[in-house]
Amino acid sequence: EPEVTQTPSHQVTQMGQEVILRCVPISNHLYFYWYRQILGQKVEFLVSFYNNEISEKSEIFDDQFSVERPDGSNFTLKIRSTKLEDSAMYFCASSERPGWRPQHFGDGTRLSIL
Amino acid sequence: GESVGLHLPTLSVQEGDNSIINCAYSNSASDYFIWYKQESGKGPQFIIDIRSNMDKRQGQRVTVLLNKTVKHLSLQIAATQPGDSAVYFCAEVLNAGNMLTFGGGTRLMVKP
Repeated sequence: EPEVTQTPSHQVTQMGQEVILRCVPISNHLYFYWYRQILGQKVEFLVSFYNNEISEKSEIFDDQFSVERPDGSNFTLKIRSTKLEDSAMYFCASSERPGWRPQHFGDGTRLSIL
Repeated sequence: GESVGLHLPTLSVQEGDNSIINCAYSNSASDYFIWYKQESGKGPQFIIDIRSNMDKRQGQRVTVLLNKTVKHLSLQIAATQPGDSAVYFCAEVLNAGNMLTFGGGTRLMVKP
C-alpha cells in the first residue's frame, strides 16, 4: 500500500538554527499538508499546498515557516529560526484532492529544539 | 469535547468486546468527518470517513455514526483486539476544504 514517508525521523537542532523537514507524498496525490503535534496535545493544521502554492494556512504558520515542492516527489517544511516552542512532532499528509477524500499521514519527524 | 495536555479520556475494554468511542465536533457547517488511529510513535492512520449527508457508514469491524443534530460522531469497533489499542481522533472538514480540525483524542486500552 502506498504511503507517505518523512525524513528524518528525529531532528535535534539548536535554537535559532534553520531546519528543513522532508516528505515524499503518495505519488498520485496532488494536495499536500503539514501538521504538528506538541507532546500530549492534539494534531494541529499548519498549511496546505496545491499546484505549487499555499492554499490555506493557520495562525501557527507565520513568517518563520515556508513550504516548497522542489521537485516532482518531495515536499518540504522549512523553519527559518527555530524557537524552543517549535519542538513537536511534524506530520506530512497528502490526499488526491481536498474535501471528501481522506488525508494520509506519514509517521512524522520529531523536532527537538535545544 | 476537547482534551488538552496529557489527560486523554481513556476507554478500557476486554478483548472481544465491542468498543464505542465518542467525539463532539465543533462546527455545525462541517461536512466531512474522519476517524484516525494513532499508535505510539506513528502518524495518524485513516480508519473510516463519512460525509455529512450520511448518518452511518460501515467498514471492516468498524462503524461510524453521525448525529448532526447534536454534533456528535461515534466510532464503533466490533470484537476489539489488542492491536486496536491506540489513541483515536476524530477530525472534521469544513465546506469541503483543506484543513482537518482534530478532536482531542481518546485512548483505547484493550485487556487480553
